Amino acid sequence: DQQVKQNSPSLSVQEGRISILNCDYTNSMFDYFLWYKKYPAEGPTFLISISSIKDKNEDGRFTVFLNKSAKHLSLHIVPSQPGDSAVYFCAASPPGSQGNLIFGKGTKLSVKP
Amino acid sequence: DVKVTQSSRYLVKRTGEKVFLECVQDMDHENMFWYRQDPGLGLRLIYFSYDVKMKEKGDIPEGYSVSREKKERFSLILESASTNQTSMYLCASRVVGGYNEQFFGPGTRLTVL
Repeated sequence: DQQVKQNSPSLSVQEGRISILNCDYTNSMFDYFLWYKKYPAEGPTFLISISSIKDKNEDGRFTVFLNKSAKHLSLHIVPSQPGDSAVYFCAASPPGSQGNLIFGKGTKLSVKP
Repeated sequence: DVKVTQSSRYLVKRTGEKVFLECVQDMDHENMFWYRQDPGLGLRLIYFSYDVKMKEKGDIPEGYSVSREKKERFSLILESASTNQTSMYLCASRVVGGYNEQFFGPGTRLTVL
């Protein structure tokens, strides 16, 4: 049973517009949520995170929103750039874990010039 | 700068061979992880270690074993490689505390013929 779900396998956006990547989760006890970006043939790189006690965190062009009642988080990229084209993974940290993360299956973002 | 290195970027092995994948981190992190990434399946945890000589099974440990003799080094072993172990293997490490952010190596693309 998937605890972290990214229901859109792919997303295509025009350069300069907003990209919104979505993630749903089932466990209300998750402590933290993280977003990773992955280019082909490279390891994932950490992008941004949010604590379960917050509802928004912003870092430059990237903003993560957390809606605890809906068990939903989203990553907004504004403005989108062709270099943002990558696979984005949502991850959640269970409480009391040894730092384990539970990953979604990823969403492939394509930003067209 | 945070650095996780993996011994090979690309590896081709034959069915039945014993395969060693090495991972080294230079950040003095306690926890280390091995994942495999397959299209449409996201990142799946194979094994993790929270201290030297300690190891825990992840979600898909079958067919794999690990070794952690030194803090900075975590090895993944395929005892008898099979074609269904063809995959991208990713190593990660993290320091205890914070957002449970994990730092990933560049990955090893393993092909088993």
